[in-house]
Amino acid sequence: EDQVTQSPEALRLQEGESSSLNCSYTVSGLRGLFWYRQDPGKGPEFLFTLYSAGEEKEKERLKATLTKKESFLHITAPKPEDSATYLCAVARDNYGQNFVFGPGTRLSVLP
Amino acid sequence: ETGVTQTPRHLVMGMTNKKSLKCEQHLGHNAMYWYKQSAKKPLELMFVYSLEERVENNSVPSRFSPECPNSSHLFLHLHTLQPEDSALYLCASSPTSGGATDTQYFGPGTRLTVL
Repeated sequence: EDQVTQSPEALRLQEGESSSLNCSYTVSGLRGLFWYRQDPGKGPEFLFTLYSAGEEKEKERLKATLTKKESFLHITAPKPEDSATYLCAVARDNYGQNFVFGPGTRLSVLP
Repeated sequence: ETGVTQTPRHLVMGMTNKKSLKCEQHLGHNAMYWYKQSAKKPLELMFVYSLEERVENNSVPSRFSPECPNSSHLFLHLHTLQPEDSALYLCASSPTSGGATDTQYFGPGTRLTVL
């Protein structure tokens, strides 16, 4: 069964304390991996798409990387406004736009 | 309006009521989606429409009935819901569907409470 897991479930950081979030996947044929940010009571906001192992994407304090089994979202010198739930989702061969979403990592950055 | 909009943002309904959720996308996309997000659970895909035709229905109970009159509008009609249907209902759109791997862009969601 195709599966996406994320760790940790929750993470508390001090402002400026860099860390990484993990998204591990077990799917039959990866077509793309997506990272989203979701604030409480709002819809997910698109961050990155990664298509192949070794690919990296950066945006401000965030950097996403992809291997054959997992993806990392690195957060460098986070600020309180980076507090949110970060979701990853996987697109698979033969499933079109039927993504598998992970449960998310809830990030809190304290001032 | 830009992006994907949803109305209402909050809805409280009784188990015998009938209501509808509305989604509109202003991105010129051809595919639209309904998702359910419950507490402590990953997003669950409910329906996919491509060019106004339903292409996927993930075994959703018949008390949820989608409608896509054109590529910009999507509705979710609700009737005789159960308390466990209380959740955040999210609409999304993407440029294409089917074999493509397109980014999906989400609306703000409708918070539904069933009493």
